[in-house]
Amino acid sequence: DAGVIQSPRHEVTEMGQEVTLRCKPISGHNSLFWYRQTMMRGLELLIYFNNNVPIDDSGMPEDRFSAKMPNASFSTLKIQPSEPRDSAVYFCASSFAASGSNEKLFFGSGTQLSVL
Amino acid sequence: KNQVEQSPQSLIILEGKNCTLQCNYTVSPFSNLRWYKQDTGRGPVSLTIMTFSENTKSNGRYTATLDADTKQSSLHITASQLSDSASYICVVARNAGNNRKLIWGLGTSLAVNP
Repeated sequence: DAGVIQSPRHEVTEMGQEVTLRCKPISGHNSLFWYRQTMMRGLELLIYFNNNVPIDDSGMPEDRFSAKMPNASFSTLKIQPSEPRDSAVYFCASSFAASGSNEKLFFGSGTQLSVL
Repeated sequence: KNQVEQSPQSLIILEGKNCTLQCNYTVSPFSNLRWYKQDTGRGPVSLTIMTFSENTKSNGRYTATLDADTKQSSLHITASQLSDSASYICVVARNAGNNRKLIWGLGTSLAVNP
């Protein structure tokens, strides 16, 4: 398996532009997470899906952020309009959530977003 | 407030030496504690997951300990290698049903020099 695949690896855009980040989770995993990482705040959970359904989006900072998971193999995180303070590394992670609580998270390599 | 604090913030050691990273947490209710390794430009990779009843777990040269009474954990790296240079992140899961509440530390940045 190729692991969690994210694209693009790097994105440089101008303030006000729309940004779309993409993620392909590991086949067979039923939970998908979007995280944002900054030096000051570390990793922050933005939203997670279980069986393609958004369960908790309380970490989404503003209405400018939206996420979709149209099927089990694809998810997007969209920022519209983007602002300089959105500059960060965005990670997608997936796991297989069974009845327990110890499932391991598998992360993609992230998208480095720079908003000028 | 649910928090995970790690120390030191950064550490430099020579190749072949041992080191220990610390993690203190104030997370309740507790479900499990994890250590992740994050190489530069990559996503975090799980090293260990420990539940309340486990006080030590090893993964190769990495050994994690957990003291649930004092709410402390440590990650010990034996005979360090250059490839151990990375950020090590302590994460505590709250017992919030389906393991959806992970409290992340800010990590310890480790540099192993030749």
